[in-house]
This record gives sequence, C-alpha cells and structure tokens, in this order.
Amino acid sequence: AQRVTQPEKLLSVFKGAPVELKCNYSYSGSPELFWYVQYSRQRLQLLLRHISRESIKGFTADLNKGETSFHLKKPFAQEEDSAMYYCAPLDLNAGGTSYGKLTFGQGTILTVHP
Amino acid sequence: AAGVIQSPRHLIKEKRETATLKCYPIPRHDTVYWYQQGPGQDPQFLISFYEKMQSDKGSIPDRFSAQQFSDYHSELNMSSLELGDSALYFCASSLSNGAAGNEKLFFGSGTQLSVL
Repeated sequence: AQRVTQPEKLLSVFKGAPVELKCNYSYSGSPELFWYVQYSRQRLQLLLRHISRESIKGFTADLNKGETSFHLKKPFAQEEDSAMYYCAPLDLNAGGTSYGKLTFGQGTILTVHP
Repeated sequence: AAGVIQSPRHLIKEKRETATLKCYPIPRHDTVYWYQQGPGQDPQFLISFYEKMQSDKGSIPDRFSAQQFSDYHSELNMSSLELGDSALYFCASSLSNGAAGNEKLFFGSGTQLSVL
C-alpha cells in the first residue's frame, strides 16, 4: 500500500543544534513531495516542495529515490522552529482524478529548547 | 478509531448552483480547518474554526461561507459556483491543548467537487 511514514512523533533538540525530521514514502510512481508546517494553533503552511529545491527558513529536503526518503534538515535549529511538521507526497497518478492524491504523514512535533 | 468524516465524497454541480460540504471532526476535537486543493496543486487554506468561532481566514471567496455547529461539525457553503471552484475540499480537525500548541491535525478524505 502506498503510504508515508514519519517515524518520530516527537523530536527535541537544543537551539543551535542540527535537526533532521525523517520522512519515508512508498509510492510506485514519482510523487511530488512537500513539507508542511503548523505553528501553534495556526494554519497549515507549505514549507517547501522538492521540485523547487528552495530553502525556506533555513530548511532543506532532498529527495532520495533509492531510499525513498525526503528528510527535512536544518543545520542550526531556532526556538521559533518549534512546530508540527508534516511530510506530504502528492501522487498525481493516484486518486482517479486529475487532482492526484495528497497524503499527510502522521506528523512530527519538533521542540527546540533554548 | 473514528476519523474525520466528510460528505459527500463526490459532488457534481453546474455553474451558478450552490453546494454544501460537511465535515465531522473526530469526537471531542474542537478545531476544524478547511482546505481547497485544485488540480495538481497543493492545498490552500480557506478558513478555520475553534469552539464554534472563526479562528482564522485564508483565501476564501466571498461566495463561500462556513460555520461550526454546537456538535463541532462544520459546513462549507458555496454559492454561485464557478468552473474554477472544481477542486478537492478537505477538512482537518484537532484538539486544542491550550498554550502548549502543536496540536496534531487529522485529515478527512475530502469532497471532490466538479462544477460543469
């Protein structure tokens, strides 16, 4: 079955430490991959998408097709990075529609301590 | 375990008609979010409710309105439908945990709206 896995429910680091939020997917095709972030009681926001290869707020994510992973990384975590992070593959060939199928992972709560 | 339920699953309407989409959050969840996902696009936030009050508003057209009822289910009302409204509308729910934040979102499967 096609799915996305974020193995860590909670991730706690100190300010200035590197952080990596893991995401593994299992899709037969080549999904577009996104990372979404939700800060405390705010709307879900798009953090980055792999096709644009942009670095937003210091975060990067590289698609590793061999490992089917799309881990989110930041070299120096900041306290304001504390939030819930969702990995979300968009499989344009699934869902039976032209919309594709967007699946959100279980999410990882990142807490950055001062 | 109960999940977020959306109805209907599919909806076909004609231009200028109205549509009502429903979202039933996970029991005891007090917050509901609505998103619109166009073909091949990422979701766009429309509106959210917390404890039956609008808590945030995104790119929701004036033709759309929404509310959260006493049982915490939410309805998205869409009037004067346009072709461009064809999209997947999905909602998410969460349980507010006060100042701690970081409530986990649970997503519904979405309502696929086609406007002809």
